[in-house]
Amino acid sequence: GIQVEQSPPDLILQEGANSTLRCNFSDSVNNLQWFHQNPWGQLINLFYIPSGTKQNGRLSATTVATERYSLLYISSSQTTDSGVYFCAGAPNYGGATNKLIFGTGTLLAVQP
Amino acid sequence: DAGVTQSPTHLIKTRGQQVTLRCSPKSGHDTVSWYQQALGQGPQFIFQYYEEEERQRGNFPDRFSGHQFPNYSSELNVNALLLGDSALYLCASSLEVRENYGYTFGSGTRLTVV
Repeated sequence: GIQVEQSPPDLILQEGANSTLRCNFSDSVNNLQWFHQNPWGQLINLFYIPSGTKQNGRLSATTVATERYSLLYISSSQTTDSGVYFCAGAPNYGGATNKLIFGTGTLLAVQP
Repeated sequence: DAGVTQSPTHLIKTRGQQVTLRCSPKSGHDTVSWYQQALGQGPQFIFQYYEEEERQRGNFPDRFSGHQFPNYSSELNVNALLLGDSALYLCASSLEVRENYGYTFGSGTRLTVV
């Protein structure tokens, strides 16, 4: 099956710093998405980004589908950005296009 | 506009018992997916329901079953609970349109099997 690698696994930032999170897929995927899981466990959808670049406030994401990776940029980080960031995608074979496969996540801690 | 609602939020069960978890999708969504998230790991796909039928299934045993009702809400049932079933169970809803598979997740049900 498809493997999803995320890096770095852990990241500690000072408030105001910028960061880049990376997600590599072992095979091409559909429905690539980025999520933020808050300390209470809820997964918040940040971006649906099968290709190209999107921006939403201090966050932006870029997916290069031909090279099977995606990047999440966080600028001017705030303590509320802390939590776990997951990327996920669905296989584009065998009718499995609705089955999201998640990476192992990046644990981000933003210190004041 | 209510998001995805899951109940209960927390649950403690004894090994061997059965449990039912519930999910109400976001208004306007017609597809429900269930995920299991063990501590320190990413969510694992259990199955997805659309038009009241199980459409896809992950690598979970038959002890895990589900149902979708005409109002699109869904239940996840787990029989013969094992200690290893302790996890956060997440429900996600989406709209079955080809252009957008953006998922909305609920806050989850934390199941502890003792």
